[in-house]
Amino acid sequence: AQSVTQLGSHVSVSEGALVLLRCNYSSSVPPYLFWYVQYPNQGLQLLLKYTSAATLVKGINGFEAEFKKSETSFHLTKPSAHMSDAAEYFCAVSPGTASKLTFGTGTRLQVTL
Amino acid sequence: DAGVIQSPRHEVTEMGQEVTLRCKPISGHNSLFWYRQTMMRGLELLIYFNNNVPIDDSGMPEDRFSAKMPNASFSTLKIQPSEPRDSAVYFCASSLRRGQETQYFGPGTRLLVL
Repeated sequence: AQSVTQLGSHVSVSEGALVLLRCNYSSSVPPYLFWYVQYPNQGLQLLLKYTSAATLVKGINGFEAEFKKSETSFHLTKPSAHMSDAAEYFCAVSPGTASKLTFGTGTRLQVTL
Repeated sequence: DAGVIQSPRHEVTEMGQEVTLRCKPISGHNSLFWYRQTMMRGLELLIYFNNNVPIDDSGMPEDRFSAKMPNASFSTLKIQPSEPRDSAVYFCASSLRRGQETQYFGPGTRLLVL
């Protein structure tokens, strides 16, 4: 069985500050890991994904995430927050070859001036 | 590509009425997923199909919910009879089955049952 835990349902950062959104996973098999972003009144959009290649994954809009097996983590970072990054972010895990994703509960990112 | 298309975008209905939500996946994708999103329960997978066949419907809340995929380009999620607790945003997503697990989401249908 797979699960993800997102620490912090709300995160607030100042514009230009580092963004760090935390995700820990549990999986009985080598996982695929994903970060999705949801802007208000929209569907989810893929930011980046880890599929057992490079452990540091770069995504769209300057985001990146590092897969750390020893820590069972896949935290999302961005060096400098922008107002347009304000959204809800979801971490998700998939058991490799299967299609089913299990999503975390989401973290709402607020960016202030 | 037009992306995943869902209709209607908004639906307001009265308790007891039948509700049908529609989804057109991205052409060439052969996995389709229905999700429900609420404040209380977050994002829940209701059911998913591979090659038009339901693979896992363990997330369907009860018999009032049913989903079909008659062909590769169309799926429906039906609620009959609807209840106020069914109020939520319902998302459809599609993906390529092999070698690529990225799911592409539609814009969602916001359902309000009065």
